Amino acid sequence: AQSVTQLGSHVSVSEGALVLLRCNYSSSVPPYLFWYVQYPNQGLQLLLKYTSAATLVKGINGFEAEFKKSETSFHLTKPSAHMSDAAEYFCAVSDPLTGGGNKLTFGTGTQLKVEL
Amino acid sequence: DGGITQSPKYLFRKEGQNVTLSCEQNLNHDAMYWYRQDPGQGLRLIYYSQIVNDFQKGDIAEGYSVSREKKESFPLTVTSAQKNPTAFYLCASRAGTGGKESQPQHFGDGTRLSIL
Repeated sequence: AQSVTQLGSHVSVSEGALVLLRCNYSSSVPPYLFWYVQYPNQGLQLLLKYTSAATLVKGINGFEAEFKKSETSFHLTKPSAHMSDAAEYFCAVSDPLTGGGNKLTFGTGTQLKVEL
Repeated sequence: DGGITQSPKYLFRKEGQNVTLSCEQNLNHDAMYWYRQDPGQGLRLIYYSQIVNDFQKGDIAEGYSVSREKKESFPLTVTSAQKNPTAFYLCASRAGTGGKESQPQHFGDGTRLSIL
């Protein structure tokens, strides 16, 4: 069974500093990977996705993530944090071989705090 | 604009009462999903449906029921058998099935259910 681990349930950075949110996955085959962002009392918004094309994926709001098969990782980064980036971030994995409705397995989330 | 509409935004349930959460999408998506979100636990799949008149249990289906009579609608009923229903419920949809597993899921803005 596939699984997702997000290291650090809370991450705090200063405005203008690098954002690094970690995601490691467990899957028998190279999966499809997604990062979502959630603002308070809202649904999830897709930031970016990896679907076996380029290993460096660029998303919205200046975020990007790099798929590293050897490390089974898909960490999310942003060069310079902005106050508006404060939110909860979820990594999710989909196994392309399971079919059956394309179920996503989510990590437990990382709450990002941006300080002045 | 196309999207997913969940209603109501807030819902209160009395002991022994069934309540139904609405989810409507106008994205012409085939697959729809219901998730439950609890603090620190990420999203857990309750039910999903790939086509009209068909649905499957997710990881935590006990105490919940769904129907899929129309492509655009996937209501979730929280029954009195669900002893701990207080949570944030998210509905999602995805374009296509079979070979389109790389397509991301799109989310509504959620319904927050509380016990009176």
